Amino acid sequence: AQKVTQAQTEISVVEKEDVTLDCVYETRDTTYYLFWYKQPPSGELVFLIRRNSFDEQNEISGRYSWNFQKSTSSFNFTITASQVVDSAVYFCALSDYAGGTSYGKLTFGQGTILTVHP
Amino acid sequence: DAGVIQSPRHEVTEMGQEVTLRCKPISGHDYLFWYRQTMMRGLELLIYFNNNVPIDDSGMPEDRFSAKMPNASFSTLKIQPSEPRDSAVYFCASSFGIAGNTGELFFGEGSRLTVL
Repeated sequence: AQKVTQAQTEISVVEKEDVTLDCVYETRDTTYYLFWYKQPPSGELVFLIRRNSFDEQNEISGRYSWNFQKSTSSFNFTITASQVVDSAVYFCALSDYAGGTSYGKLTFGQGTILTVHP
Repeated sequence: DAGVIQSPRHEVTEMGQEVTLRCKPISGHDYLFWYRQTMMRGLELLIYFNNNVPIDDSGMPEDRFSAKMPNASFSTLKIQPSEPRDSAVYFCASSFGIAGNTGELFFGEGSRLTVL
């Protein structure tokens, strides 16, 4: 069975601080996908990134960066120079690898509530 | 382009009543998912469809829950009879499941259900 653990229930930082959200996963599959989603106060879920299990290259997108380490089954998410608008619940998720695509059958972590204070 | 559209956004009902939640996926998407979010259980997959056919309903909590997708542009999730423990936010999501896609799920804004 797949499992995603986000040990940090809540994180509170002051604007401009860097913050890292941890994600540890368990799966018996040798190939799989990992995701991060953001849920702002308005409630919708917004896709941030997908990573294939066979691609351990880290990725940076603006102030966001992701560190994937297969050896430790971790897929951590760092926000550099946090802003108030980053306040949201962040979910890490895992899905099967289905012939080269990921069709959305996701196992979510419990989420980390990030609050960025001005 | 319109995103995934869910209705109603909020529903308050009394225990024992029938509840029907509706979803219109993004045009052209061939996968549709129903997820439920609660404080206790987090986000959990209830059921998903591919090309209108239910593929996996193992997440449906019990026989009181049923889901249908009569055509590519419409799906319903029905609870009959409803119970207070069904109170949750129900999300519909769709995706385009061909090889090489990003795997991005497009979520609706959710239907917040309160059963009194």
